[in-house]
Amino acid sequence: DTAVSQTPKYLVTQMGNDKSIKCEQNLGHDTMYWYKQDSKKFLKIMFSYNNKELIINETVPNRFSPKSPDKAHLNLHINSLELGDSAVYFCASSQEKRGELFFGEGSRLTVL
Amino acid sequence: AQSVAQPEDQVNVAEGNPLTVKCTYSVSGNPYLFWYVQYPNRGLQFLLKYITGDNLVKGSYGFEAEFNKSQTSFHLKKPSALVSDSALYFCAVRDGQAGTALIFGKGTTLSVSS
Repeated sequence: DTAVSQTPKYLVTQMGNDKSIKCEQNLGHDTMYWYKQDSKKFLKIMFSYNNKELIINETVPNRFSPKSPDKAHLNLHINSLELGDSAVYFCASSQEKRGELFFGEGSRLTVL
Repeated sequence: AQSVAQPEDQVNVAEGNPLTVKCTYSVSGNPYLFWYVQYPNRGLQFLLKYITGDNLVKGSYGFEAEFNKSQTSFHLKKPSALVSDSALYFCAVRDGQAGTALIFGKGTTLSVSS
């Protein structure tokens, strides 16, 4: 079983559309994250949830809205997609706020 | 504020030779330090971490890293490189205070030639 799974793996869409990426972890972790990896492979934290509570919210446009229905799931919804949103989005989880992160395989978003 | 620097974009080494990938960090509290590896079109895989204790940390696939507080460094090492070690390596740091994010360096591409 995949520990941290993201869907879809690839997403190609037009500017202005709205899209969602889903993430699920079966590790029993209580903290989940979204990271964005740009074309230069730079990784930037976007959000973090601990037990469904938002604990980290970096300077991300409010077109991006995370939702955690339970501690095993963290979804990312993006409104009004822009060309600059094209990136690989990684979901991750950790046992507690200080532990190592376990990453999903990434969701590659391409905005045309 | 916390930050991490990986001064080398690329490290080239011959198979069988030792390798070092450099990392320095800045954090106001106690540093929690991590190394990850990323293969093409894959997620990041955890290699090792330093939280406290022995300055020499051993991790997966024969990698190890040495925590040096005075030099604020956490270099990744391996005694004998394999071609299959070729990948993108990330150093990451978080402040020991709870609630801070894991901040990643820009990554170092390791290329091991046969």
